[in-house]
Amino acid sequence: KQEVTQIPAALSVPEGENLVLNCSFTDSAIYNLQWFRQDPGKGLTSLLLIQSSQREQTSGRLNASLDKSSGRSTLYIAASQPGDSATYLCAVRRATSGTYKYIFGTGTRLKVLA
Amino acid sequence: DAMVIQNPRYQVTQFGKPVTLSCSQTLNHNVMYWYQQKSSQAPKLLFHYYDKDFNNEADTPDNFQSRRPNTSFCFLDIRSPGLGDAAMYLCATSPAGGHEYETQYFGPGTRLLVL
Repeated sequence: KQEVTQIPAALSVPEGENLVLNCSFTDSAIYNLQWFRQDPGKGLTSLLLIQSSQREQTSGRLNASLDKSSGRSTLYIAASQPGDSATYLCAVRRATSGTYKYIFGTGTRLKVLA
Repeated sequence: DAMVIQNPRYQVTQFGKPVTLSCSQTLNHNVMYWYQQKSSQAPKLLFHYYDKDFNNEADTPDNFQSRRPNTSFCFLDIRSPGLGDAAMYLCATSPAGGHEYETQYFGPGTRLLVL
């Protein structure tokens, strides 16, 4: 059974810091891994998707890496801003034919202090 | 813009009074999902449809039902809401063509309050 864990559960940093969020999963047979952002009381916004054949993806100040063999992904946020404050969730999709389910981690609540 | 729409955004119901949440999509995706998310928890998959094929999670209570009358619409019915069913309910879609680059698209969610 796939389990997804995110560490730390919460993080508070001063504005301008570079930071790393971690996601680990127990079953390396995945189609892809996705990072989402969730603002309080809102839905999920997709940030980055890494296919199983890829090592990393970048979008602006965000960089996500994937190491399937070790079951780990990291989300790197450069030069953090107060507007980055949100909960960040990772989700993996199993590489099983006919399976379209995504398993989510519990998220990291990030607060960037001005 | 193509999107996933959920109505209403906030729903208040009484204990035991049936309630229906709705989701529609303009993306023409094959798969539609319903998740339940409680405060500070991960979204929990309740069920999903691949076209008309219904897939229920083993631990989804019988109190929760779903309907998908066509590609665009999907409904979540809670037959007798309890206080423990108060949560954010998220609808999502996915094209499900079997490609690794496929992602999920989420609606804004419906916050359910049970009095």
